[in-house]
Amino acid sequence: EVQLLESGGGLVQPGGSLRLSCVASGFTFGPYAMGWVRQAPGKGLEWVSGITGDRKTTVYADSVKGRFTISKDDSKNTIYLQMSNLRAEDTAVYFCGKDKTYGDGRWELDSWGQGTLVIVSS
Amino acid sequence: DIQMTQSPSSLSASVGDRVTIACRASQSISTYLSWYQQKPGKAPRLLIYAASTLHSGVPSRFSGSGSGTDFTLTISSLQPEDFADYYCQESYIGPGAFGPGTKVDVK
Repeated sequence: EVQLLESGGGLVQPGGSLRLSCVASGFTFGPYAMGWVRQAPGKGLEWVSGITGDRKTTVYADSVKGRFTISKDDSKNTIYLQMSNLRAEDTAVYFCGKDKTYGDGRWELDSWGQGTLVIVSS
Repeated sequence: DIQMTQSPSSLSASVGDRVTIACRASQSISTYLSWYQQKPGKAPRLLIYAASTLHSGVPSRFSGSGSGTDFTLTISSLQPEDFADYYCQESYIGPGAFGPGTKVDVK
């Protein structure tokens, strides 16, 4: 059974930094693209970032480009989202997800974690 | 950037009803369109990918259609567990925009 477990969320002041982690199990982690999607309180879903299995391609939403960095450690079956210069509008539940397709990212997420809450507030 | 719209934003329906949700892209995305279901406090669940392919384990009452800019999610006979929010998402060039969502609630 595929399992994704996010951690690292919390309360951070505007301008601060936070690193989210997502540990995967139940599948061969290396070849699959992974991504982060967020949901602000009471709002819809927003793609944040994605990384292909070979780590050659990373993609970011315009809203986080230059502030967030996604990375992948196959030895730990983990992806990370390093978030810096955080703003109030980054407040959201952050979900990690696994791409459905082996190989290049198709960005269709067939497994999701339960999410981790990030609150940016002074 | 590609923009996604959905209609209606909400609808009220009864168990057994046929429900249709529309999704429109601001430019052609071929069939790079997925549908997700989300219940309160839960992660989204993939229902359909490539516009019309049912994801494994998803009941056959769910179906998707469309290509280019116009897409539809249909629930043929609404079940109690189907009351939820539904989102479309394009992936034409990389991971792309989600639609704003459609809330399906009890009439």
